[in-house]
Amino acid sequence: DAKTTQPTSMDCAEGRAANLPCNHSTISGNEYVYWYRQIHSQGPQYIIHGLKNNETNEMASLIITEDRKSSTLILPHATLRDTAVYYCIVRVTGANNLFFGTGTRLTVIP
Amino acid sequence: DVKVTQSSRYLVKRTGEKVFLECVQDMDHENMFWYRQDPGLGLRLIYFSYDVKMKEKGDIPEGYSVSREKKERFSLILESASTNQTSMYLCASSSGQVDSPLHFGNGTRLTVT
Repeated sequence: DAKTTQPTSMDCAEGRAANLPCNHSTISGNEYVYWYRQIHSQGPQYIIHGLKNNETNEMASLIITEDRKSSTLILPHATLRDTAVYYCIVRVTGANNLFFGTGTRLTVIP
Repeated sequence: DVKVTQSSRYLVKRTGEKVFLECVQDMDHENMFWYRQDPGLGLRLIYFSYDVKMKEKGDIPEGYSVSREKKERFSLILESASTNQTSMYLCASSSGQVDSPLHFGNGTRLTVT
């Protein structure tokens, strides 16, 4: 699986959009980008995934650059409950495993 | 919503005990997984199963075994618990669709003394 690079930590003001970047410059054509988050003492929570098109669901939007070498997870109106570690993962189609890196610790500030 | 339920949130066991961690999913998913999560090491795959009675070793299967007798249930067994198996254990499931995301339970924090 391609390696991902994320900032170690970020802050965001409550009510503002949180934009979490991820670099995956070695991604190959059959690898999807997945985003998860983990709130302290809970299991990872699936957020969103995509292959090459931008995606949106009730939790977030995923913007993937045209060359697919990076992506951004957008939480449109961050709340205090969005404080968590966010993981960007690339996964080969059909692979049975997910490799979690160290993620970005997002702190939403009141 | 997918629900993955792990039977215990916290367990304390003694060295040498046989330990069973149970996981149940309610979405008729084909695939089920056991991970452990340790600080600085991220999530590491122990075993996974893609069908009833089928299992595959993950990255760190030593000291563990698994059982999948029913589609909805996947058990992790520590045959003889050791202190280095103190960890957070996470169960996950996914459908057989190629890009299906994994859905995780809330974890079992196991302490072996």
